[in-house]
Amino acid sequence: AQTVTQSQPEMSVQEAETVTLSCTYDTSENNYYLFWYKQPPSRQMILVIRQEAYKQQNATENRFSVNFQKAAKSFSLKISDSQLGDTAMYFCAFMKPSGSGYALNFGKGTSLLVTP
Amino acid sequence: ETGVTQSPTHLIKTRGQQVTLRCSSQSGHNTVSWYQQALGQGPQFIFQYYREEENGRGNFPPRFSGLQFPNYSSELNVNALELDDSALYLCARSPRTGSSGELFFGEGSRLTVL
Repeated sequence: AQTVTQSQPEMSVQEAETVTLSCTYDTSENNYYLFWYKQPPSRQMILVIRQEAYKQQNATENRFSVNFQKAAKSFSLKISDSQLGDTAMYFCAFMKPSGSGYALNFGKGTSLLVTP
Repeated sequence: ETGVTQSPTHLIKTRGQQVTLRCSSQSGHNTVSWYQQALGQGPQFIFQYYREEENGRGNFPPRFSGLQFPNYSSELNVNALELDDSALYLCARSPRTGSSGELFFGEGSRLTVL
């Protein structure tokens, strides 16, 4: 079974600063996907960024980027120029592609507070 | 806005009762999965439906069951409720199996079991 570990239950960052959220995972698979999902206080979870394990290049989406270290099984999220609207729970998730569909394995989450 | 709607948003039940939670989508997402999110935890995969059949299940007992209808709406049923079933239940839709893995989540149904 795959496990996802987020070692930072809570983090705080000032507006316009940069913050990095950590995630490690355990798997014996070679082909898989990794995700960061954001869950704002309104509860609707949305995708922030996605990384395919076979791609060496780190994914980026505007102010969000990842540092994917496959050998170390590490997948951290960097948020640049933090904004108040970035305040949310952030979940790291693992998925093994399968003909039987998706089963995302989530970490316990990191609560990020962006302060003025 | 993900276009995924869940109902009810909140409900309270007593131990031993049964509950049905519902999920609908504005677009033709033909794969639906359900997750249980206990307080302070990440979501846990319950099961997934594709073309009205269950095609993946997490570590949940048979009293958790589901349905998917031809219009792609879905239900999660939980029988013989236990106190530990208190959680936020999330419905997630995706265009089809085997694609990039992006899921579109609803806001969830908050179930409290007393």
